[in-house]
Amino acid sequence: AQSVSQHNHHVILSEAASLELGCNYSYGGTVNLFWYVQYPGQHLQLLLKYFSGDPLVKGIKGFEAEFIKSKFSFNLRKPSVQWSDTAEYFCAAAGNKLTFGGGTRVLVKP
Amino acid sequence: SQTIHQWPATLVQPVGSPLSLECTVEGTSNPNLYWYRQAAGRGLQLLFYSVGIGQISSEVPQNLSASRPQDRQFILSSKKLLLSDSGFYLCAWTPLAGVHNEQFFGPGTRLTVL
Repeated sequence: AQSVSQHNHHVILSEAASLELGCNYSYGGTVNLFWYVQYPGQHLQLLLKYFSGDPLVKGIKGFEAEFIKSKFSFNLRKPSVQWSDTAEYFCAAAGNKLTFGGGTRVLVKP
Repeated sequence: SQTIHQWPATLVQPVGSPLSLECTVEGTSNPNLYWYRQAAGRGLQLLFYSVGIGQISSEVPQNLSASRPQDRQFILSSKKLLLSDSGFYLCAWTPLAGVHNEQFFGPGTRLTVL
């Protein structure tokens, strides 16, 4: 069965620190991959997506993610976080259906 | 531009009472519509999706049902709520068929069953 795992449930870090959120999926076929973000009190919104081509994908607000097919991974990164990056982040994979990971709550301390 | 609305924003209901949550999309035609439940630490669980009026697919057996009486309206219902139905319910839409497209989410409804 298709599944998505996010390794960290909670991450706390200070402003200017680097962020990396792990995401692994299980699906034997071709997948499209997404990262969604939910800021406090706001709608869930798309951060970035990978369909094909360059495995390093750049999204909004300085985020990027790298698709590593051999590792079934799609980790999200940001070199220097800001307080406004405090949010919950969801990885999702679309193989035969769209499946979400459990989410990672990120708290950036000012 | 397209917008998606959910009503109500919060709801507190007693066990055994009925439920009706509404989702409406503006600015698009024939969207694919989805109902999710978001539980802490477990991400989003797809409950129902619809590719057209009157067409509903259920992903998991449960105490809930969905209906699509109009092109841009999607309703989540229950005849008798259970405590386990408490949660955060999200409606989403995509302009095209298929799971490979970006989904646009509504603001959600926080349901508490007492």
